[in-house]
Amino acid sequence: EDKVVQSPLSLVVHEGDTVTLNCSYEVTNFRSLLWYKQEKKAPTFLFMLTSSGIEKKSGRLSSILDKKELFSILNITATQTGDSAVYLCAVAGSNYKLTFGKGTLLTVNP
Amino acid sequence: GAGVSQTPSNKVTEKGKYVELRCDPISGHTALYWYRQSLGQGPEFLIYFQGTGAADDSGLPNDRFFAVRPEGSVSTLKIQRTERGDSAVYLCASSKTGGNTEAFFGQGTRLTVV
Repeated sequence: EDKVVQSPLSLVVHEGDTVTLNCSYEVTNFRSLLWYKQEKKAPTFLFMLTSSGIEKKSGRLSSILDKKELFSILNITATQTGDSAVYLCAVAGSNYKLTFGKGTLLTVNP
Repeated sequence: GAGVSQTPSNKVTEKGKYVELRCDPISGHTALYWYRQSLGQGPEFLIYFQGTGAADDSGLPNDRFFAVRPEGSVSTLKIQRTERGDSAVYLCASSKTGGNTEAFFGQGTRLTVV
């Protein structure tokens, strides 16, 4: 059974801090790893990492995938209060379904 | 459409009633997923469609839950004899294919069974 574990479960920082969110996984026939930001109901897509794309960056957010050690990290630099959300990590395996972790609740205080 | 559309956004129903939740995926997306999310948890997989067929329904919790996608576009999740434990946010996502392409979520339907 595919498994995703995220840490920490919650994190409180001040504006301007840099944060690193962790995601470790076990999956049969890895296809991709995805990061989402969830503020209300709908998870919003951030990044997809695959064997051919193990590092992604967009503005203050960046992510890397370590396929050997089976983990990914999501970095957010110069955090803002608008970054406060739950960050979800998901993996897709041979059966194409996405298996999610429980998420990391990030709170950025002014 | 521009994004994944789910209706209704909120649904309150009495225990024992039947409910239908609708998902309209992004135009051209062949893969469609249903997830259920309880408070403090990540989305839990229910069912995955590739085209009209259910490629994987291993996440449906029991036979009260059923989903269809008759024309390979809009999907309906049907729950019979609802129970209070079915209360959750039901999320739908679609992607161009499956697995190696980004999946985009709708706003979800918050189901409350009273």
